[in-house]
Amino acid sequence: ETGVTQTPRHLVMGMTNKKSLKCEQHLGHNAMYWYKQSAKKPLELMFVYSLEERVENNSVPSRFSPECPNSSHLFLHLHTLQPEDSALYLCASSQEMGQPQHFGDGTRLSIL
Amino acid sequence: SQQGEEDPQALSIQEGENATMNCSYKTSINNLQWYRQNSGRGLVHLILIRSNEREKHSGRLRVTLDTSKKSSSLLITASRAADTASYFCATDRSSNTGKLIFGQGTTLQVKP
Repeated sequence: ETGVTQTPRHLVMGMTNKKSLKCEQHLGHNAMYWYKQSAKKPLELMFVYSLEERVENNSVPSRFSPECPNSSHLFLHLHTLQPEDSALYLCASSQEMGQPQHFGDGTRLSIL
Repeated sequence: SQQGEEDPQALSIQEGENATMNCSYKTSINNLQWYRQNSGRGLVHLILIRSNEREKHSGRLRVTLDTSKKSSSLLITASRAADTASYFCATDRSSNTGKLIFGQGTTLQVKP
């Protein structure tokens, strides 16, 4: 159903590891987003890219580093994460900002 | 700050009944969107209603918007077991266009 693909679907890592989450869309959309979804909390917007330029960094700790090499791909590089970073990380895209967003199925991240 | 707040947090109904979920928000908006999330999956866009619209329909879905009360409602008629999911409202604020703010969601269970 979704035109947004996220890999991996599940990731378990230690606090000292470095890993990357990948998001890919082939919908021709110009905006891409990273969200964090934790239990009992609203979806938190982390980063927004529009036409490959970062337009939002919502006070996200530097241990999360986004990268948007082209309009179809978005990465979230992870380094020295904390247990409270365990969550579902969702990627989304939209034709333009403010328009309906298409979501991937997320990466379930567990920090040991 | 949290923009959208859904009410109720959880709703359990029998198949065939109607389900109504409400969303309140705090600041002026360009549009309000409703999304559905099935367990373990990403969010799926259902319907968008603009600030100058009062009501919108899509299949069994009916959305209303009252900008004077800063509230919206989502009605699902003749519910089915497959409607079991979490439902979120999201607002595109006039002051920060393009970045959706999500509520905590309503968990709907439809019993067969």
